[in-house]
Amino acid sequence: KAGVTQTPRYLIKTRGQQVTLSCSPISGHRSVSWYQQTPGQGLQFLFEYFSETQRNKGNFPGRFSGRQFSNSRSEMNVSTLELGDSALYLCASSRTHGGQETQYFGPGTRLLVL
Amino acid sequence: GESVGLHLPTLSVQEGDNSIINCAYSNSASDYFIWYKQESGKGPQFIIDIRSNMDKRQGQRVTVLLNKTVKHLSLQIAATQPGDSAVYFCAENIVDAGKSTFGDGTTLTVKP
Repeated sequence: KAGVTQTPRYLIKTRGQQVTLSCSPISGHRSVSWYQQTPGQGLQFLFEYFSETQRNKGNFPGRFSGRQFSNSRSEMNVSTLELGDSALYLCASSRTHGGQETQYFGPGTRLLVL
Repeated sequence: GESVGLHLPTLSVQEGDNSIINCAYSNSASDYFIWYKQESGKGPQFIIDIRSNMDKRQGQRVTVLLNKTVKHLSLQIAATQPGDSAVYFCAENIVDAGKSTFGDGTTLTVKP
């Protein structure tokens, strides 16, 4: 079974631009969560989608948004990029929302904002 | 190469020794806890989890201990191998919350 895939793997943008990252969950998984990983802040939860609905949201500004499609694929968007948005963005999928479900992480998209 | 109780950002051990990685969690309402291993260039990989109604769980070469009184979690790795070198994170979860709250990572280096 293929794992979680994320595209692109690397991205360079400039301040003020916007970016869209994509995540394809493991087949059959309906929950997708997004995390931001930085050296200073560690892994921080952005949001979780289940059945095309955002079920939970972390403490990030409105510039960070996401969506999930009917095939469970998910995208996240960051508008008006700031230098501090440089990070590794990780996507994780699980079969269902909540419960004691194992989350499987993708390799991440490394975003550099110049 | 062991540390008990205190979270350390880095830990260096000799190959074959046992390793203990510690984590403090914050939410006494958390239902279960997970340890992840993250290798360079990869996303976190599930190692083992434990429910809040347990205090010990064993896997292959790994044991997780949970002390709810002091909100402390530890991961013990037996006979540490060079392939165990990675960053280890603990995460706390609440059922139906749909998210994990990660602790600070510990970078484990195994010296041959």
